[in-house]
Amino acid sequence: EPEVTQTPSHQVTQMGQEVILRCVPISNHLYFYWYRQILGQKVEFLVSFYNNEISEKSEIFDDQFSVERPDGSNFTLKIRSTKLEDSAMYFCASRVLQETQYFGPGTRLLVL
Amino acid sequence: SQQGEEDPQALSIQEGENATMNCSYKTSINNLQWYRQNSGRGLVHLILIRSNEREKHSGRLRVTLDTSKKSSSLLITASRAADTASYFCATDKEKLTFGTGTRLTIIP
Repeated sequence: EPEVTQTPSHQVTQMGQEVILRCVPISNHLYFYWYRQILGQKVEFLVSFYNNEISEKSEIFDDQFSVERPDGSNFTLKIRSTKLEDSAMYFCASRVLQETQYFGPGTRLLVL
Repeated sequence: SQQGEEDPQALSIQEGENATMNCSYKTSINNLQWYRQNSGRGLVHLILIRSNEREKHSGRLRVTLDTSKKSSSLLITASRAADTASYFCATDKEKLTFGTGTRLTIIP
């Protein structure tokens, strides 16, 4: 069964460094998402992406964040200058139209 | 906000019993989805129920949706130890808005 994949599974970085989290959505999906979950808290929407542009973003998704679909398969989330409070599990999701969103296994980001 | 809020926050039952979790939300939705998360792991999709549906079944799972009350419930029948996890409802209006989840523990 097709699935969303994410790399790396874990990332440790120093505050102020840039990180890129990578996702490969399911191949025929059209809508792509990033969510995050701070330890012990609820899953929060960051951004949605459709037709090569951002369709919606949350207040969390400030100028430090960017997304890109550099080729036909990858979908990346970049955090330009990480802060301690960016430590979280980051989930990528994809779907076709108004159907189920399928989530990847997540990248656990730790900012020191 | 159209947050889904689940109750109870935590539930412990004996293996074999049924577990019921409830979810309430505030605004209109396209559909509502239930997910499961094992500790520190990814989100596994369980079931999607559309706004024009009232009930849906999948194996041991039964989901109801009452749009007039803006509420949904997830019933897991004949629970197993492997069902121990956190369960989240997520309202779907383009993006998913998750509740805080119910932590379900099945006691063998």
